Amino acid sequence: QQQVKQSPQSLIVQKGGISIINCAYENTAFDYFPWYQQFPGKGPALLIAIRPDVSEKKEGRFTISFNKSAKQFSLHIMDSQPGDSATYFCAASGNQFYFGTGTSLTVIP
Amino acid sequence: DAGVTQSPTHLIKTRGQHVTLRCSPISGHKSVSWYQQVLGQGPQFIFQYYEKEERGRGNFPDRFSARQFPNYSSELNVNALLLGDSALYLCASSLLTKGFGEQYFGPGTRLTVT
Repeated sequence: QQQVKQSPQSLIVQKGGISIINCAYENTAFDYFPWYQQFPGKGPALLIAIRPDVSEKKEGRFTISFNKSAKQFSLHIMDSQPGDSATYFCAASGNQFYFGTGTSLTVIP
Repeated sequence: DAGVTQSPTHLIKTRGQHVTLRCSPISGHKSVSWYQQVLGQGPQFIFQYYEKEERGRGNFPDRFSARQFPNYSSELNVNALLLGDSALYLCASSLLTKGFGEQYFGPGTRLTVT
């Protein structure tokens, strides 16, 4: 059973556009929700994270929106750049750590 | 400061063999976790260790085991290798004494089982 459901599987965005990736979870015991970026042949790198007592967190061009009642959270990448082309994973943790299935983002120049 | 390091980078083994993967955490990090990432999928949690004690275990068979040493480095052992064990094995370290928090991942060890 997939603990964290992520969509879309792939995303193509024009340079300067907004990339939006969505995740949903069921376990209300989760208390930490990070997003990771992974380039081919590399380990995941932490981008931004949020705890459920906050509805939004912004760091540079990256924003997490968190809806506790809907058990959903999303990553917004503003002013998307070709260098942002990578696979993005949402995750959730409590007693264990669960990754989503990943979104392959391609930013077209 | 050096990040999380893992060795070896690549490894090719035959079905039925045993493998040991190694991880050194970021200096000062006492928590180490292991993940398996099959091509095209998200990483799957295998183990978490803190201060040499197992703090958590994912849904993996007993063929998978791990340990953490006094210097906080860690080993992941897999016995009786199967073709399905072919994957990128990732190690992550964090400062937290409880839970996971900000985890920093190493580059991984690519294991191929033939």
